[in-house]
Amino acid sequence: DAGVIQSPRHEVTEMGQEVTLRCKPISGHNSLFWYRQTMMRGLELLIYFNNNVPIDDSGMPEDRFSAKMPNASFSTLKIQPSEPRDSAVYFCASSPRGNEKLFFGSGTQLSVL
Amino acid sequence: AQSVSQHNHHVILSEAASLELGCNYSYGGTVNLFWYVQYPGQHLQLLLKYFSGDPLVKGIKGFEAEFIKSKFSFNLRKPSVQWSDTAEYFCAVNGGSYSSASKIIFGSGTRLSIRP
Repeated sequence: DAGVIQSPRHEVTEMGQEVTLRCKPISGHNSLFWYRQTMMRGLELLIYFNNNVPIDDSGMPEDRFSAKMPNASFSTLKIQPSEPRDSAVYFCASSPRGNEKLFFGSGTQLSVL
Repeated sequence: AQSVSQHNHHVILSEAASLELGCNYSYGGTVNLFWYVQYPGQHLQLLLKYFSGDPLVKGIKGFEAEFIKSKFSFNLRKPSVQWSDTAEYFCAVNGGSYSSASKIIFGSGTRLSIRP
């Protein structure tokens, strides 16, 4: 298995632009998590899905952030409009069951200028 | 509210020194506990986990952790560190129910630097 696949690896954009981050979880995993990592706040849980349904999005910082999981093999995290303070590494992780070991993707390094 | 506290932000040790990284959690009910490691330039990977049973858990690369329920702690230890242990270490916790997904909350991380 290729593991959790995230794209793009790096994204540089200008303030105000829309950013879409993509994630393909490991086949057969039914839970998917989006995290954001920054020096100041460490690793923050943004949202997680179970069986494609959003369970808890209380970590999503603002309405500018949205996440979808249209099917078991794909999820997106969208920021519109983006701001410089959104600059961070965004990780996607999946799990065979939500409370077990997480398998992380390589992350997307987002820079908003 | 659920939370995980890691006491040390940056730890610097010499090779062969012993390591202990602190982790305390606040979570109502049964918990699962994890330590993840992030080597420079890599993504997070599981080091060890505790679900139930023996509170002393052995992980990969000689790491171990002890769950002390009365202290709400899950400290990570290694008797003799190597330069290759240089990484960032994250403690994590979630609810112990197997019925559905639950939040997996991470601590802020501890950066470990090993001097050769």
